[in-house]
Amino acid sequence: GAGVSQSPSNKVTEKGKDVELRCDPISGHTALYWYRQRLGQGLEFLIYFQGNSAPDKSGLPSDRFSAERTGESVSTLTIQRTQQEDSAVYLCASSSYTGLAGGPFQETQYFGPGTRLLVL
Amino acid sequence: AQSVTQLGSHVSVSEGALVLLRCNYSSSVPPYLFWYVQYPNQGLQLLLKYTSAATLVKGINGFEAEFKKSETSFHLTKPSAHMSDAAEYFCAVSSNTGPASKLTFGTGTRLQVTL
Repeated sequence: GAGVSQSPSNKVTEKGKDVELRCDPISGHTALYWYRQRLGQGLEFLIYFQGNSAPDKSGLPSDRFSAERTGESVSTLTIQRTQQEDSAVYLCASSSYTGLAGGPFQETQYFGPGTRLLVL
Repeated sequence: AQSVTQLGSHVSVSEGALVLLRCNYSSSVPPYLFWYVQYPNQGLQLLLKYTSAATLVKGINGFEAEFKKSETSFHLTKPSAHMSDAAEYFCAVSSNTGPASKLTFGTGTRLQVTL
């Protein structure tokens, strides 16, 4: 597709249930990121994947959160035993980069529309 | 460590007036700086980015931002506001130390444009 897509667009679940969120990055983008946006707040970094390197999980708030990515394609973010404080919009982004000869890398992250999660 | 501060969670301007959204950053390495816009119920859209080339960066929809290292600022401006500019604006910083760097976002500024 032309952009990053995410599914579902909205998810309502009961406290204690597991949820799985999906992200389809832009084709050819090697990096994929997950962010969380709580109501009235900025985006919090959760995790990113870059090619075949080990993912950077430094932003995951607890061991209830995990994510997987197969190659350079789809990623899933799983939240186990959901809590009410997990309610947020979960945004996925993907990027490629241009390596300039003798210069720094450049990248632009392109965001999907997000999944709005509500935990009751 | 990196951080971003956006002064003013809400800014209101009249249509046709100057838009100024403030962003200050903190970074231990030369930064990349970004402005994103988020329209209601939509994802983030890149407005512009600074990547150590020209300090005055022009973006889409008539927006521009100037990187001022001495002030650690990257304020977003537009000479004349339009009703369609009403949205939430996020400033973000990343490092340029590799091909994939997480973004650190400010808390956002909601821009209201009135008649």
